[in-house]
Amino acid sequence: GQSLEQPSEVTAVEGAIVQINCTYQTSGFYGLSWYQQHDGGAPTFLSYNALDGLEETGRFSSFLSRSDSYGYLLLQELQMKDSASYFCATPRGGYQKVTFGTGTKLQVIP
Amino acid sequence: GAGVSQSPSNKVTEKGKDVELRCDPISGHTALYWYRQSLGQGLEFLIYFQGNSAPDKSGLPSDRFSAERTGGSVSTLTIQRTQQEDSAVYLCASSLQAGADQPQHFGDGTRLSIL
Repeated sequence: GQSLEQPSEVTAVEGAIVQINCTYQTSGFYGLSWYQQHDGGAPTFLSYNALDGLEETGRFSSFLSRSDSYGYLLLQELQMKDSASYFCATPRGGYQKVTFGTGTKLQVIP
Repeated sequence: GAGVSQSPSNKVTEKGKDVELRCDPISGHTALYWYRQSLGQGLEFLIYFQGNSAPDKSGLPSDRFSAERTGGSVSTLTIQRTQQEDSAVYLCASSLQAGADQPQHFGDGTRLSIL
């Protein structure tokens, strides 16, 4: 099976950089995705890493280390609108059965 | 619209009643997922469809829960004899194919409240 662990809450200052970590227990690993969810809203896809290394998309970057069973989402130049919950996700029990971590609630403060 | 549509957006019902939740995926998306999210919690995987087939139903919490998909499009999630612990937001997502590398597009969810 697969379990995903994330910190429950993170607070960071507007304009700063924040890193949200995700560790996973693996028995077959197909890559790590990240989603953002604002309060009361639907999750939206941010990124996907299949291979080790850093993927950059604007202010957001995602990193994966398969040898360490670890990934992170990096948010730069934080804005107030980045306050949301962030979930890592990966298949469990098969390539198609995508499951989500417990989520990290990010609060950006002035 | 072009996104995933779920209905109803809100549903309040009495304990013991049956409820049916509907999901209209993005046209052309062959994979469809159902998740449940309790207040302030993560997403609990319930079931996924590839086409009309549900290869893995092990995520359904009990035999009161069932789901079907017809015509490779609309899906319904049915909860029979609802219990208060069924209260949650039920989210539907679709993707081009089922798989780790496929971004999932989510609907706004159905907020279910069992009195």
